[in-house]
Amino acid sequence: DQQVKQNSPSLSVQEGRISILNCDYTNSMFDYFLWYKKYPAEGPTFLISISSIKDKNEDGRFTVFLNKSAKHLSLHIVPSQPGDSAVYFCAASPNYGGATNKLIFGTGTLLAVQP
Amino acid sequence: DADVTQTPRNRITKTGKRIMLECSQTKGHDRMYWYRQDPGLGLRLIYYSFDVKDINKGEISDGYSVSRQAQAKFSLSLESAIPNQTALYFCATSDFLSGTQYFGPGTRLTVL
Repeated sequence: DQQVKQNSPSLSVQEGRISILNCDYTNSMFDYFLWYKKYPAEGPTFLISISSIKDKNEDGRFTVFLNKSAKHLSLHIVPSQPGDSAVYFCAASPNYGGATNKLIFGTGTLLAVQP
Repeated sequence: DADVTQTPRNRITKTGKRIMLECSQTKGHDRMYWYRQDPGLGLRLIYYSFDVKDINKGEISDGYSVSRQAQAKFSLSLESAIPNQTALYFCATSDFLSGTQYFGPGTRLTVL
């Protein structure tokens, strides 16, 4: 049972345009959400996170939006750059820090930014 | 220098062999994790440890064991490797206060 779903295996965007990556979750106990970026032959690197008390968090070109009622979050990259081409994983945790600190990952979306 | 290191980076072995993957971290974090990544399945948690005396099973622990030798070291063993354990393996760390985990570069394991 996939608790965190990334329904788009891949996405292609032109350089300079907006990239929107989507993630849905089923467990209403999740209260902390993260996005990781992964290049080939490297480990996932932390990109941006959001706690359930917020609906938006911004860091430079990256913004994460959280819609708790729809159990949906999205990552916006504006403007997209060729170096953003990577696999993006959405992850969720039932606790921020605290007792469990476990992450449940989605299956990833491969973003290709075309020059 | 990398904060989270994994050795070896690549390993090819045969069915039935015992394999150990090692992870070291210089981030000073208490919590360490082992994941595997398979195509189309994302990352799945194998084992995790919140301190030296604490070991917990994750989602897919069967066929694996771990050892937390020190705060900075967490090793994963495959007692008798089988072909469906062919995957990318990642170690990660986090501190008590943050939900953010930091990953090593991964080990590509192939079991023939």
